[in-house]
Amino acid sequence: SAVISQKPSRDICQRGTSLTIQCQVDSQVTMMFWYRQQPGQSLTLIATANQGSEATYESGFVIDKFPISRPNLTFSTLTVSNMSPEDSSIYLCSVAQGRDYGYTFGSGTRLTVV
Amino acid sequence: QKEVEQDPGPLSVPEGAIVSLNCTYSNSAFQYFMWYRQYSRKGPELLMYTYSSGNKEDGRFTAQVDKSSKYISLFIRDSQPSDSATYLCAMSARTSNYQLIWGAGTKLIIKP
Repeated sequence: SAVISQKPSRDICQRGTSLTIQCQVDSQVTMMFWYRQQPGQSLTLIATANQGSEATYESGFVIDKFPISRPNLTFSTLTVSNMSPEDSSIYLCSVAQGRDYGYTFGSGTRLTVV
Repeated sequence: QKEVEQDPGPLSVPEGAIVSLNCTYSNSAFQYFMWYRQYSRKGPELLMYTYSSGNKEDGRFTAQVDKSSKYISLFIRDSQPSDSATYLCAMSARTSNYQLIWGAGTKLIIKP
């Protein structure tokens, strides 16, 4: 299965600023996903990012707040813009290499907004 | 009603016990079923993957899917303290564009 490197692993940010999270995969993948996970909660899908097309956002998430870049088949970024304390969460990227192989996750970015 | 129901626990069992974790779902179109293990401060790790109905075994782990009852299970034999983690079920339909529907996750504690 693919190996994902996600950076940064954690950050503490001031409200009103932006943070860009990077996701690097060791193989080419078509489907990439960005999730948010509140402490002790399950995963909530933010958006699906396919190379060569605009990201598809889930209800409650908008491009102005969470712009996504997918420049090639091994890399993606998620930016959390104009942050508030409510954005404090764990952000995870995930890739799918075909349904028969399941989905692989990065180790996550633990974001605290103060 | 959520599409996928999973008891959040915590579930506490003694070392060596057989653990049973379960999820129920309502969407009969689900065909792909997964179990993930997540340790604290880590991303989810795929444990078991099952397509359609049946059983799948991998070492101490067995996944079962009963589509007639819309019920999936994960069994852990000879449980170890290192199995202490949160276990999340996830599933998707063939037509879902690879999107997963997640359970709430069950926190499992194995007591030495």
